[in-house]
Amino acid sequence: ETGVTQTPRHLVMGMTNKKSLKCEQHLGHNAMYWYKQSAKKPLELMFVYNFKEQTENNSVPSRFSPECPNSSHLFLHLHTLQPEDSALYLCASSQGLSRERSGELFFGEGSRLTVL
Amino acid sequence: AQTVTQSQPEMSVQEAETVTLSCTYDTSENNYYLFWYKQPPSRQMILVIRQEAYKQQNATENRFSVNFQKAAKSFSLKISDSQLGDTAMYFCAFRGSGNTGKLIFGQGTTLQVKP
Repeated sequence: ETGVTQTPRHLVMGMTNKKSLKCEQHLGHNAMYWYKQSAKKPLELMFVYNFKEQTENNSVPSRFSPECPNSSHLFLHLHTLQPEDSALYLCASSQGLSRERSGELFFGEGSRLTVL
Repeated sequence: AQTVTQSQPEMSVQEAETVTLSCTYDTSENNYYLFWYKQPPSRQMILVIRQEAYKQQNATENRFSVNFQKAAKSFSLKISDSQLGDTAMYFCAFRGSGNTGKLIFGQGTTLQVKP
């Protein structure tokens, strides 16, 4: 098992669909993150969870709904997305939220999302 | 607001040569961390090296080293003896104060190592 696993790796959905992205970490970390990676743009932090509690929502539209049932699992529920939401969605984890710990992120391979 | 800028969208280097990737940042804080991440094609992003702002000595990890110029707010990455496996996108990142875990990334530099 790799440290951070994301499923599915690829997802194509219509604007009216509802789908979910899943992330699981096997590193014993307490903090988990969702990032959006679009072409030619910096990685955008979406959400941060620490011990299942959300600590950061970076002004993300409500059509993205995160869920963190425990420290090892993180979901991103998607509904009524727009074509501009097409991107690579990266999950990451860290041991904690201190400056040192939260900078050392362990990433999954990402879920490539295409919205038609 | 804190920002991170990587002004080189693409670079290339011959195998076994040395290349330097640039990064500048803007902050009013005095104590922070800086990082370089590597994202190989279709593979996971991994941490390459990190620098604590209060440490004057430049960080080094094997063939990777940084040139940290705090006054100039510059944090460049030097890759020595470049290898084909170094081909990747490289991201500079900044972590300041606060307890929310927010890491600010630059736009990335795509590095191609040529045989």
